[in-house]
Amino acid sequence: DTGVSQDPRHKITKRGQNVTFRCDPISEHNRLYWYRQTLGQGPEFLTYFQNEAQLEKSRLLSDRFSAERPKGSFSTLEIQRTEQGDSAMYLCASSLGLFGELFFGEGSRLTVL
Amino acid sequence: TQLLEQSPQFLSIQEGENLTVYCNSSSVFSSLQWYRQEPGEGPVLLVTVVTGGEVKKLKRLTFQFGDARKDSSLHITAAQPGDTGLYLCAGEGDQGAQKLVFGQGTRLTINP
Repeated sequence: DTGVSQDPRHKITKRGQNVTFRCDPISEHNRLYWYRQTLGQGPEFLTYFQNEAQLEKSRLLSDRFSAERPKGSFSTLEIQRTEQGDSAMYLCASSLGLFGELFFGEGSRLTVL
Repeated sequence: TQLLEQSPQFLSIQEGENLTVYCNSSSVFSSLQWYRQEPGEGPVLLVTVVTGGEVKKLKRLTFQFGDARKDSSLHITAAQPGDTGLYLCAGEGDQGAQKLVFGQGTRLTINP
């Protein structure tokens, strides 16, 4: 088991472009979470999945953000029409069950120019 | 909205000194977790405290959950350069499901 994997680790894009991040959770973890962390701040909850079902979305997640977990395994987070304010580290985490420990990936750092 | 305030935000001390980091809120949390995050990596769980007044020790680190489950502290004894990092507290709120509310973090530097 190699832990939670995120790809790409770094992404630089121009304002207005679309970007997609992928997260591969620890195998057999049924819960998957996305958080966003800006410089000097703690992570902020964005959304989470139980298997393939997206159970909750934060108000931080504007209409330009969409997340999927089509087969209950890997997940993607897409940001459309990126803005400079989207620059942040996007963290994925997974857990086994409701009370399982959260394991975070190394994050995908987005820079919007 | 549940918020967690950490203090201090930055702390730089000499090796061998003791320190305490605080995590405070006006809200009650069902559990409180402490994470450590290295640059360019995701947070790694150190401990979870669940019961009001609970104290947990992890080698030189002592974690305490307030009696009212609104605050927590992390105390490090005889700090070492390897303790350098970003320490984050995170509360599991009334909606559970591991939807964590994080503090803004305490960046700790231990100078040799």
